[in-house]
Amino acid sequence: ETGVTQSPTHLIKTRGQQVTLRCSSQSGHNTVSWYQQALGQGPQFIFQYYREEENGRGNFPPRFSGLQFPNYSSELNVNALELDDSALYLCASSFRTGDTEAFFGQGTRLTVV
Amino acid sequence: GESVGLHLPTLSVQEGDNSIINCAYSNSASDYFIWYKQESGKGPQFIIDIRSNMDKRQGQRVTVLLNKTVKHLSLQIAATQPGDSAVYFCAENYNYGQNFVFGPGTRLSVLP
Repeated sequence: ETGVTQSPTHLIKTRGQQVTLRCSSQSGHNTVSWYQQALGQGPQFIFQYYREEENGRGNFPPRFSGLQFPNYSSELNVNALELDDSALYLCASSFRTGDTEAFFGQGTRLTVV
Repeated sequence: GESVGLHLPTLSVQEGDNSIINCAYSNSASDYFIWYKQESGKGPQFIIDIRSNMDKRQGQRVTVLLNKTVKHLSLQIAATQPGDSAVYFCAENYNYGQNFVFGPGTRLSVLP
């Protein structure tokens, strides 16, 4: 209902593996942000992309990387997975950076074993 | 450093009563604040926002109050309904930056 869709909804990976999570933003939204939400906590900002360029980054290591495509889709890549990477990963899109009303997807639940 | 937190991790209210969810923030430079509702298995949903030059803003059944003196934010929900049961997050943003800083959340349970 927000127009933002994420895939897959659930994923199980093994420690050390790599994972790619996908997000499809609302048409016309030039900005996408990715958040990590550990169980029982609030979302934490990973990074933001604006017009296919990284536009800010939170306190996450370089093994968290992203891409944004012209068709309003984006990816979050995580290399060398660690057990602590287990979380709900959320993407949020907005028309422009700094917009108050960002629209969140339903998230991808990643479990690292 | 900046942080956003909530006074109560859980809140239970009777259906039909008013709910008040509180939030404390530490960054006095924050420009605006947002309340999000997150239901189980879903992403956060925007409820209402308020800019730092305002003290109060009303929406449909919801009111946000901002007290910059004590760096306190609250969300009031009138006539709480079962569908209001969810986790509520406050989030702050400063300098119209790229990211929102979320608090840990308050779980609201509506009792029949």
